[in-house]
Amino acid sequence: DTGVSQDPRHKITKRGQNVTFRCDPISEHNRLYWYRQTLGQGPEFLTYFQNEAQLEKSRLLSDRFSAERPKGSFSTLEIQRTEQGDSAMYLCASSRTSGGINEQFFGPGTRLTVL
Amino acid sequence: DQQVKQNSPSLSVQEGRISILNCDYTNSMFDYFLWYKKYPAEGPTFLISISSIKDKNEDGRFTVFLNKSAKHLSLHIVPSQPGDSAVYFCAASGSGSARQLTFGSGTQLTVLP
Repeated sequence: DTGVSQDPRHKITKRGQNVTFRCDPISEHNRLYWYRQTLGQGPEFLTYFQNEAQLEKSRLLSDRFSAERPKGSFSTLEIQRTEQGDSAMYLCASSRTSGGINEQFFGPGTRLTVL
Repeated sequence: DQQVKQNSPSLSVQEGRISILNCDYTNSMFDYFLWYKKYPAEGPTFLISISSIKDKNEDGRFTVFLNKSAKHLSLHIVPSQPGDSAVYFCAASGSGSARQLTFGSGTQLTVLP
């Protein structure tokens, strides 16, 4: 399967702990996105990488959140000192650079529960 | 401030009939629109898209219509099948370098056999 993969699929943690999620995009895709989705809402943009460069961050991305894409391939999203409000589905998507429609392919997501 | 709105949280349709899902947007800088389908425990799956320079795009049973003056788009599914039952998200992309997607809150479509 050559789709976007995410690990872990589920994470339960206690408030105050740090968590890290991994995303492996489709191999020839140079763009990578992180989104967050809460119950009853659509995904909300968090941050964007083109190759290894993090080019845009949403104001939703507080200073407790950090994302990396060290070699322009997989990416990690770390949340430090988790809060109950961080409980959500974290989605990763990838796409190719193109002048046209930016069709993004999503992974299955990591569901985070903060107790 | 919701820039992309799907005002119907749910829709039920009989198998074989037409399903029409609606979406409104407020940001006139959006230049591409996409529809995604989502099953439980899976990520969104791309369905169909349309550029702002077009008013219709068709792919098999799926047709997307765009009315720029009304800032409205719709997805038509004909004929509807039970396997189409899922949450449908409308998304819009601007012309900025990131081209991130702004999503609506989704419509749960149920196709009844």
